[in-house]
Amino acid sequence: DAGVIQSPRHEVTEMGQEVTLRCKPISGHDYLFWYRQTMMRGLELLIYFNNNVPIDDSGMPEDRFSAKMPNASFSTLKIQPSEPRDSAVYFCASRPPGRVGTQYFGPGTRLLVL
Amino acid sequence: EDQVTQSPEALRLQEGESSSLNCSYTVSGLRGLFWYRQDPGKGPEFLFTLYSAGEEKEKERLKATLTKKESFLHITAPKPEDSATYLCAVQAGEYGNKLVFGAGTILRVKS
Repeated sequence: DAGVIQSPRHEVTEMGQEVTLRCKPISGHDYLFWYRQTMMRGLELLIYFNNNVPIDDSGMPEDRFSAKMPNASFSTLKIQPSEPRDSAVYFCASRPPGRVGTQYFGPGTRLLVL
Repeated sequence: EDQVTQSPEALRLQEGESSSLNCSYTVSGLRGLFWYRQDPGKGPEFLFTLYSAGEEKEKERLKATLTKKESFLHITAPKPEDSATYLCAVQAGEYGNKLVFGAGTILRVKS
């Protein structure tokens, strides 16, 4: 099993630009989570999907953030326009059916907004 | 609001020196508590699930325990490869599908 795949692994962009992060969950997993990790705030849940449907987006910081899951094998997190305070490591995680708490994390995307 | 507090923030041990990490939580009815390990530059990796006070789980040199107010991760005779950040999380949200993570404890084991 390849695990959760995220791309790009690193992204450097300038303030105001659009950023798109991508995630491929583990096949057969029915939940997908997007997290952001910073030194100041730790690991924060942004949004999660169940069977491709967004269930809870209460952690999305602003309207500049949006996430989609068009099918079971692909999700995107978009930031438009990006700001320096968005700099963080963004993780995608997926979870198998019935295994609450057992999330499989991807390697993360390290985002730097200049 | 569900909260998780971990202590200490950082811990340095000599190889073979046993110790414990603490995770205290404030939740309206604990449904599950989870321990994860995170290596530098990688995503967190699941270690244990605990559901009720008195429960214990073990894996190699690690043992996780749970009381009504806190959880401990005991590390017995650690090795340098146990160096990592250890994260504690509680099940949260209306349907229990969310995890609220603590800030983590950075463990360094020196040989």
